[in-house]
Amino acid sequence: DSGVTQTPKHLITATGQRVTLRCSPRSGDLSVYWYQQSLDQGLQFLIQYYNGEERAKGNILERFSAQQFPDLHSELNLSSLELGDSALYFCASSVVTGGELFFGEGSRLTVL
Amino acid sequence: AQKVTQAQTEISVVEKEDVTLDCVYETRDTTYYLFWYKQPPSGELVFLIRRNSFDEQNEISGRYSWNFQKSTSSFNFTITASQVVDSAVYFCALSGEMDSSYKLIFGSGTRLLVRP
Repeated sequence: DSGVTQTPKHLITATGQRVTLRCSPRSGDLSVYWYQQSLDQGLQFLIQYYNGEERAKGNILERFSAQQFPDLHSELNLSSLELGDSALYFCASSVVTGGELFFGEGSRLTVL
Repeated sequence: AQKVTQAQTEISVVEKEDVTLDCVYETRDTTYYLFWYKQPPSGELVFLIRRNSFDEQNEISGRYSWNFQKSTSSFNFTITASQVVDSAVYFCALSGEMDSSYKLIFGSGTRLLVRP
């Protein structure tokens, strides 16, 4: 158990819909990272938050957005979903810069 | 730019064989960190090791060992006496000081199948 909690674990929805993925980092970790894992793209960095502020952006689509709340949990919002958005979405947290990331179990999104 | 290459897409071995997973990286950072993660069939990503660029000492943890060579920009992972439970996808990753986020850049992974 990494200490990072992600919900929901599985989600099936239709094209055009909007979903929210939630992440609770390990206690004390200020950094939260979101990654997307798809078969053809591998593990891709989406976005990072540090103590409530956006720190870095990767190849995150404009249809996707995220935020980190004062209690440090984070949400990833995916809208106008397309079939290609089907993937495993991971949240990770770290306590120090340059440190290892501890990953949640992921949220598997299926868009039909 | 930072890049991690895991040239071995899939490896299949028989139980008790030794197996080495290769990882080659590219970075212009002076200070950087290298990682290995394991993704078993259940899907979670499990942290295995972190190495900083100033520590080239090899590390051994039980049946696992890692060989870091800056001269060849490689950070290889060896499993000794492999077991069926070692079957998983293994990812090598890199983060560096020039990127203030220290996000991990992952290789494409190597799928290891250990047959009984």
